[in-house]
Amino acid sequence: DAGVIQSPRHEVTEMGQEVTLRCKPISGHDYLFWYRQTMMRGLELLIYFNNNVPIDDSGMPEDRFSAKMPNASFSTLKIQPSEPRDSAVYFCASSRAGREETQYFGPGTRLLVL
Amino acid sequence: AQSVTQLDSHVSVSEGTPVLLRCNYSSSYSPSLFWYVQHPNKGLQLLLKYTSAATLVKGINGFEAEFKKSETSFHLTKPSAHMSDAAEYFCVVSLSGGYNKLIFGAGTRLAVHP
Repeated sequence: DAGVIQSPRHEVTEMGQEVTLRCKPISGHDYLFWYRQTMMRGLELLIYFNNNVPIDDSGMPEDRFSAKMPNASFSTLKIQPSEPRDSAVYFCASSRAGREETQYFGPGTRLLVL
Repeated sequence: AQSVTQLDSHVSVSEGTPVLLRCNYSSSYSPSLFWYVQHPNKGLQLLLKYTSAATLVKGINGFEAEFKKSETSFHLTKPSAHMSDAAEYFCVVSLSGGYNKLIFGAGTRLAVHP
């Protein structure tokens, strides 16, 4: 299996622009997670899906952030409008169901908002 | 509520000497515990996990961790450090219930000197 795939790997944009991050989970995984990593706050869970349905979006910082999972093999995280404080590395992860199951992480998207 | 504390933000060792990265957890019942490693500009990779089977868990690259319920600890060790072990290490606890929600520690940055 190719693992979790994220695109783009790097994104540089200007404040106010819309940014869309993409994720393809591992086939057969029921759960998909979006994380944000910054120096100041470490790793934060933004939102997660179970069988394409958002379960917990309490980590989404503001209404500027939205996430969708239209099918089992694709998810997007959108920021509109973007701000410099959104600069971070965004990770997508997926896993099978079960508390003991391993979450597999993608390589991340490094976002810089100027 | 579940939480995890990594007792050292930075650890520095010489190549060939033992590694000890400390982690304490808080959980209302027997937890699932994980150690992940993140090399610079990379995603997170699972090192090992504890899921209520053997208390001594062996992982990849010679790492192991021991679950000690009486001390609420899950310290990560390696007998002999290698230069390639230099990375950030995260201790993680899985949230209660049937969900895969993970709680991450703040991370320990391991430096290995020649």
